[in-house]
Amino acid sequence: SQQGEEDPQALSIQEGENATMNCSYKTSINNLQWYRQNSGRGLVHLILIRSNEREKHSGRLRVTLDTSKKSSSLLITASRAADTASYFCATDPGNMLTFGGGTRLMVKP
Amino acid sequence: DVKVTQSSRYLVKRTGEKVFLECVQDMDHENMFWYRQDPGLGLRLIYFSYDVKMKEKGDIPEGYSVSREKKERFSLILESASTNQTSMYLCASSTSGGPDTQYFGPGTRLTVL
Repeated sequence: SQQGEEDPQALSIQEGENATMNCSYKTSINNLQWYRQNSGRGLVHLILIRSNEREKHSGRLRVTLDTSKKSSSLLITASRAADTASYFCATDPGNMLTFGGGTRLMVKP
Repeated sequence: DVKVTQSSRYLVKRTGEKVFLECVQDMDHENMFWYRQDPGLGLRLIYFSYDVKMKEKGDIPEGYSVSREKKERFSLILESASTNQTSMYLCASSTSGGPDTQYFGPGTRLTVL
């Protein structure tokens, strides 16, 4: 069962623009993670934000978490063609990670 | 760096065949997972293991079994492959005692004819 749902399902932007992806979830969580998947490959962990954190940065990535709204967003600033991939949120309610359906991001050069 | 390897990137099998997918991790992780990924359905957990010889069913265990005889190796077995098991299979591992950050292998794209 999918705990997290990403929005939008697909996003197409020009290189240099910012990309924002959203994730909504249903139950209380210990932490929320974002993963990236290049076409036909495995997932790579990007960033983890704990339930008592509101914002976290890692390089060009900025993640926010609003536990009252049960939502998170991933912002990629100054996007590059190499950022083209699918991005998944994963929630950890305490027993098992549950992945959303993903956002497919295309960054056009 | 954590490395998770899977025995094949691409595999083509016939209906009714027994299929073994192997996964090996080199970071002494306690937890290992098998997912399948299908368009529009995201990642679905098939089985996981939190210790040698231990296994737990995930969301979609039907038609699959697993084996974990050694800590570093987790095998997924399709006893009698069917066409609806055509999918991308992803293995992952994680350590116990902290946030469940999972490290994934490159995936095996299985086609059952």
